[in-house]
Amino acid sequence: GAGVSQSPRYKVAKRGQDVALRCDPISGHVSLFWYQQALGQGPEFLTYFQNEAQLDKSGLPSDRFFAERPEGSVSTLKIQRTQQEDSAVYLCASSRDGNYGYTFGSGTRLTVV
Amino acid sequence: GESVGLHLPTLSVQEGDNSIINCAYSNSASDYFIWYKQESGKGPQFIIDIRSNMDKRQGQRVTVLLNKTVKHLSLQIAATQPGDSAVYFCAEKGNAGNMLTFGGGTRLMVKP
Repeated sequence: GAGVSQSPRYKVAKRGQDVALRCDPISGHVSLFWYQQALGQGPEFLTYFQNEAQLDKSGLPSDRFFAERPEGSVSTLKIQRTQQEDSAVYLCASSRDGNYGYTFGSGTRLTVV
Repeated sequence: GESVGLHLPTLSVQEGDNSIINCAYSNSASDYFIWYKQESGKGPQFIIDIRSNMDKRQGQRVTVLLNKTVKHLSLQIAATQPGDSAVYFCAEKGNAGNMLTFGGGTRLMVKP
């Protein structure tokens, strides 16, 4: 597609509920990144894929967070047993080669109540 | 939509004036830098980038300056317009990984 597409745009979850956030990167982009952005702050790195391989997951805050990209295109970020501190905007970015030209999606705003 | 940057440093300029937004980066080994613009309810939008082998790069109405000696990056916007009002983030990529590390952001407010 023309840009990075994320869905849903907004998600409200009850504490303890599992959620799944989807990212459709730009067609042909090898690299895909997930970031978390708390209100009033810059995005913080969560995890990175090159094709279907998850090469870096050092930014995932706990083992409740899990990401996958099984066919090297669409990616899903899953959060299990959501907590209030998980409330944030989750941004996805893709890059043709993983070195330059990172394009971000509009994000999914997650609110845990 | 949601509000980005409730407590960020703010730069207020008059429409038509030039704006300069500064950023101090942390990693002396970073080899690539990007400025992003983020409006409320939207994701970061690419403005301009620069590689570490350059010290200046110009785009349309924007210029990025890189001073590696003091680890400083700046974004200059010429003839600032109301549509430039947003939060601006600098981001750096280290040479040991592919992720971007973002600075804290600056809110630019343009007065008509």
